[in-house]
Amino acid sequence: EVQLVESGGGLVQPGGSLRLSCAASGFTFTTYAMSWVRQAPGKGLEWVSAISAGGDSTYYGASVKGRFTVSRDNSKNTVYLQMNSLRAEDTAVYYCAKDSSGNAVYNWFDPWGQGTLVAVSS
Amino acid sequence: DIVMTQFPDSLAVSLGERTTINCKSSQSVFYSSNNKNYLAWYQQKPGQPPKLLIYWASTRGTGVPDRFSASGSGTDFTLTISSLQAEDVAVYYCQQYYTTPQTFGQGTKLEIK
Repeated sequence: EVQLVESGGGLVQPGGSLRLSCAASGFTFTTYAMSWVRQAPGKGLEWVSAISAGGDSTYYGASVKGRFTVSRDNSKNTVYLQMNSLRAEDTAVYYCAKDSSGNAVYNWFDPWGQGTLVAVSS
Repeated sequence: DIVMTQFPDSLAVSLGERTTINCKSSQSVFYSSNNKNYLAWYQQKPGQPPKLLIYWASTRGTGVPDRFSASGSGTDFTLTISSLQAEDVAVYYCQQYYTTPQTFGQGTKLEIK
């Protein structure tokens, strides 16, 4: 069974940093790209970032580009999201998701983790 | 960016009834070289992460009940539930993966009447 378990969320002040982790199991991690998708409280879904299977290609949404960095450690079956210069509007549940291919583009997402809440507030 | 618009925003349907949710993209998500529409549907129940229902616009995901079906091409797509069950109460999202950034519709909230 595929499992994705996020961790690292919490309360952080504006301008602060957090690093999210997503531990994957139940599939050949090195074969699939991985994405982060967020959902602000009571709102819809916003794709944040994706990283290819080998980690050589990364993509970001415009709202986080230059502030967030996605990476992966294929030896640990884990993908990370380093979030810097956090703003109130970054407050959301952050989900990691398994992409449908090894490329970081042209993918649907299946499955999704349970998510981790990031709250940016003073 | 491709803008995905769903309608209605919400609807209430009686148990056993048929329901349809619509999704429109601001530009075509059909790729002629492989004859595929880059469109997925997800179901999100309260307090849960989204779950994949449909990909390639009409292919059901693993384990998805056959009362869920989807169709459409180009810019106009529909998700149909043939006979609404109580467990189908959820918010439904469409997503295009034709270009990056992948974008989602705003969601359609489905309730029982």
